[in-house]
Amino acid sequence: DIQLTQSPSSLSASVGDRVTITCRASQSIRYALNWYQQRPGKAPEVLIFATSTLRSGVPSRFSASGSGTDFTLTISSLQPEDFATYYCQQSYSSPWSFGQGTKVEVK
Amino acid sequence: QVQLVQSGTEVKRPGASVRISCKASGFTFINFYMHWVRQAPGQGLEWMGIIDLKGGRASYAEKLQGRITLTRDTSTTTVHMELSSLRSEDTAVYYCARYGPESGPIYFDYWGQGTLVIVSS
Repeated sequence: DIQLTQSPSSLSASVGDRVTITCRASQSIRYALNWYQQRPGKAPEVLIFATSTLRSGVPSRFSASGSGTDFTLTISSLQPEDFATYYCQQSYSSPWSFGQGTKVEVK
Repeated sequence: QVQLVQSGTEVKRPGASVRISCKASGFTFINFYMHWVRQAPGQGLEWMGIIDLKGGRASYAEKLQGRITLTRDTSTTTVHMELSSLRSEDTAVYYCARYGPESGPIYFDYWGQGTLVIVSS
């Protein structure tokens, strides 16, 4: 099974800050890595799929990169609505798996 | 538009079973797979299983094998998740999530609103 390890588990940031979250896979997943945002009490929503493709409607301040085992999600200028929890997820092989999440909190 | 509408909150005793439904609309049902994901209070996302909406074949997370059953009804475009022998650790919000889109890279592109299951004596 493929394990995904996110870091940090949480971070405190201010509006306007640049934020970077990393996700490391236990084996190569090529480019099959997706990122989701989850706001409290809501279902997750995909932000980025296939490592770096923004889903339609997602603001361009979100970007992501990586390949193989190491991936990053970057928010270039944090906005109030971005305070949420972010999960990476691999769709390379079954069983599908998620990272443990990174909670982005107000500093 | 794509919609996944789940059934409501369930409160169950330990040892009981729960059956949650996920009504799909706005897309060609049999062209997709549906996943189930759960989230215990304050915890992360846990993948539970997947079902092929055309053929009905399902595959499950190893830790839930023997307790989980996914089924689908193509006439009502509804997917059901049944979990048996419930224990307190099964208290969670349960989500159905479509595996899509139809072409290109696939991911969990649409999610249900979630169903809270509380297991308590």
